Amino acid sequence: EVQLVESGGGLIQPGRSLRLSCAASGLEFGEYGMNWVRQGPGKGLEWVSGINWSGRDVGYADSVKGRFTISRDNAKNSLYLQMNSLTIEDTALYYCTKDQTPRVAVTGVGDAFDVWGQGTMVSVSS
Amino acid sequence: QPALTQPRSMSGSPGQSVTISCTGTSSDIGSYDYVSWYQHHPGRAPKVVIYRVNKRPSGVPDRFSGAKSGNTASLTISGLQAEDEADYYCCSFRGNRYSGVVFGGGTSLTVL
Repeated sequence: EVQLVESGGGLIQPGRSLRLSCAASGLEFGEYGMNWVRQGPGKGLEWVSGINWSGRDVGYADSVKGRFTISRDNAKNSLYLQMNSLTIEDTALYYCTKDQTPRVAVTGVGDAFDVWGQGTMVSVSS
Repeated sequence: QPALTQPRSMSGSPGQSVTISCTGTSSDIGSYDYVSWYQHHPGRAPKVVIYRVNKRPSGVPDRFSGAKSGNTASLTISGLQAEDEADYYCCSFRGNRYSGVVFGGGTSLTVL
């Protein structure tokens, strides 16, 4: 069974940094693009960032560009999201998701996000 | 403001059909067939019900169907059942590879 388990969330002050991790199991992790999707309190889903299978192509939502950095370690079956200069608007449940189609060169064309973790909560507050 | 526009809420009775619209632009839905739909029950992880505009993943009932015309995509749920009550989100690839992916604002579906 494919599983994605997020960790690293918590309560943090505005302006500080946080690093989220996603541990994958039950799949050939290095074959698939991965993404972070978040849902703020009372809000809808928002794509945050994506990375292709090799790590050579990445993409970011305008709302986080320049502050967040996505990365992956295929040897450790892990996905990361480094979040800097956090603001109250970054408060959300952060999901790790997997592309449905393997070995897609460009972020965003993996057909669908077919596996989701349960999410890790990030609360930004003073 | 979400990049893709969906009705905020919709409702239907058991057995009826509902169609949820998702309006984008010529830079996303209008130019690419990378449109997907997600069903989200509160407290659970979202689940893909349609991908590539009109394809159903295995295990998704054929009551769910998708379509696209111009800059607008749609999800139709036929023969509504109580368990279909959930939030539904459309999603599309954007033309500029550095903008990645955008979701709609979500539609809350109530089964009366």
